[in-house]
Amino acid sequence: DAKTTQPTSMDCAEGRAANLPCNHSTISGNEYVYWYRQIHSQGPQYIIHGLKNNETNEMASLIITEDRKSSTLILPHATLRDTAVYYCIVSGYGGSQGNLIFGKGTKLSVKP
Amino acid sequence: KAGVTQTPRYLIKTRGQQVTLSCSPISGHRSVSWYQQTPGQGLQFLFEYFSETQRNKGNFPGRFSGRQFSNSRSEMNVSTLELGDSALYLCASSFRTGGDEKLFFGSGTQLSVL
Repeated sequence: DAKTTQPTSMDCAEGRAANLPCNHSTISGNEYVYWYRQIHSQGPQYIIHGLKNNETNEMASLIITEDRKSSTLILPHATLRDTAVYYCIVSGYGGSQGNLIFGKGTKLSVKP
Repeated sequence: KAGVTQTPRYLIKTRGQQVTLSCSPISGHRSVSWYQQTPGQGLQFLFEYFSETQRNKGNFPGRFSGRQFSNSRSEMNVSTLELGDSALYLCASSFRTGGDEKLFFGSGTQLSVL
């Protein structure tokens, strides 16, 4: 079973920030938080990952709470092309990175 | 750099047949993983290969098998196809296994079993 809990769906207005929450209350010290997204009929796409500190790249920002039991993925200026299913995954360093446990994810709909 | 390439993109088979799917990882990547995606079960891990060795295997019957070649290309085979094997089969590659690696996925092979 997935070790994360995400809302089933969310809406966001185009141009606004999309904030996608994820709960991972049983995360252990060596586990990273990864975010992937899947646009219809395509393979999942890596977005960002982090351990303890907040992370930012060209696609998104990842905010991890101090107790590491939850995190938020932020798409700063959502566009229609960001409509996708977003998966939050926890996976351990040194473990098999090929074996990711995907949950149901959050279906994000960006509306004009 | 070219991405992960999966062939064929679409495949139609009948029950009882077997099928072989191919995956070419990103150049330099040595780890290849396979996933099955269905509307009911979502994305499920099949197996992972690194340097021609199977590192991990998911909870699938023995009809599902795979292998990796010395150039890191991988194939998966499903024998005695069942209707429930209809799914999108995704391949992902990474430079190594372990660590905080990110996976790069192909577009998948859509298998329909009639």
